[in-house]
Amino acid sequence: DAGVIQSPRHEVTEMGQEVTLRCKPISGHNSLFWYRQTMMRGLELLIYFNNNVPIDDSGMPEDRFSAKMPNASFSTLKIQPSEPRDSAVYFCASSLVNYGYTFGSGTRLTVV
Amino acid sequence: RKEVEQDPGPFNVPEGATVAFNCTYSNSASQSFFWYRQDCRKEPKLLMSVYSSGNEDGRFTAQLNRASQYISLLIRDSKLSDSATYLCVVNAAHNQGGKLIFGQGTELSVKP
Repeated sequence: DAGVIQSPRHEVTEMGQEVTLRCKPISGHNSLFWYRQTMMRGLELLIYFNNNVPIDDSGMPEDRFSAKMPNASFSTLKIQPSEPRDSAVYFCASSLVNYGYTFGSGTRLTVV
Repeated sequence: RKEVEQDPGPFNVPEGATVAFNCTYSNSASQSFFWYRQDCRKEPKLLMSVYSSGNEDGRFTAQLNRASQYISLLIRDSKLSDSATYLCVVNAAHNQGGKLIFGQGTELSVKP
């Protein structure tokens, strides 16, 4: 099993640009989570899906953030327009309900 | 009050020492408990689940006290390779689709 696959690994973009982060969960997992990690705030849950349906997006910072899961094997997190304060590591994780997560390697986003 | 609170750390210990991390959680309805390990600039990885009866995996022992809503992790005979951040993790209420709540983490540094 290849694990949770995220792309890109690193992204440097200018303020105001659109950023799209991608995630392929582990096959058979029915839950997918997007987290953001910074030194100041630690790991913050942004949004999660069960069976491709968004369940809780209360952690999404504002309307500039959106996430989709069009099928069981793919999800995107989009930031438009990006701002310097969005700079962080964004992790995707997948799981079977009530089991521990498996995280992807993360996308390190820098907005300049 | 944070949903999951951990010792602030950092813990600096010599090789061979025994070190213990503590964690408290606020939601009495939580049913699943985990310890994750995160190395610098890497994704969190599941270290071990925590069961009501307590469980051991080699040099690592996890304990759960539901009455006090308290979780602990004990590391015996610590190795240089144990240096990492340890995250206490608790599931949200049972009807929240597998959502996990992460503590801020406790940094461990094992010195020669």
